Amino acid sequence: EVELVESGGGLVQPGGSLRLSCAASGFTFSSYEMNWVRQAPGKGLEWVSTITGSGSATFYADSMKGRFTISRDNAKSSLYLQINSLRAEDTAVYYCARRPISRREFDHWGQGTLVTVSS
Amino acid sequence: VMTQTPLSLSVTPGQPASISCKSSQSLLHSDGKTYLYWYLQKPGQPPQLLIYEVSNRFSGVPDRFSGSGSGTDFTLKISRVEAEDVGVYYCMQSTQLPLTFGGGTKVEIK
Repeated sequence: EVELVESGGGLVQPGGSLRLSCAASGFTFSSYEMNWVRQAPGKGLEWVSTITGSGSATFYADSMKGRFTISRDNAKSSLYLQINSLRAEDTAVYYCARRPISRREFDHWGQGTLVTVSS
Repeated sequence: VMTQTPLSLSVTPGQPASISCKSSQSLLHSDGKTYLYWYLQKPGQPPQLLIYEVSNRFSGVPDRFSGSGSGTDFTLKISRVEAEDVGVYYCMQSTQLPLTFGGGTKVEIK
């Protein structure tokens, strides 16, 4: 069974940093592109970033460039998102989602991890 | 920009429902495919894929859900709404970067 489990969220002060993780199981991790999507409280979905199966290419939403870094460790079947210089507007549930290589849909999502940026 | 209408929908069980999604640009890719998707986010859950590439139901999705459209205009239809269909429906395009979602349509049962 496909499983994606996010962790690493929590309360952080403005200007701080956080590293989110997504542990994958039940499928061949390196055969999938991986993504982060976030959802602010009571708001809609916002794509954050995508990384290819090998990790050789990454893509970001314009508003995330510079402060967000996506990475993966295929040996550990894990996806990461490093967020620096956190702002109040980064407060959101962060979901990881997989996308089959050569396809473009997010076919499985994790339950999400909540990041709260507040002093 | 992906624009969904209506913002919310209240439906009697067994009645049909329809949600519109309009894109500010054509979603037809140079490879001939249209990368338009529909997701349902049930209360307290992550989104789940319903429809991929405009009109294809994802594995396990009931056949009361159908998608249609082309270019910039797309529609999700539920032929007979059931109680388990409540939640927020999102369209999403991945024809071009950045990947973008519609604002969502909340469906509730009367």
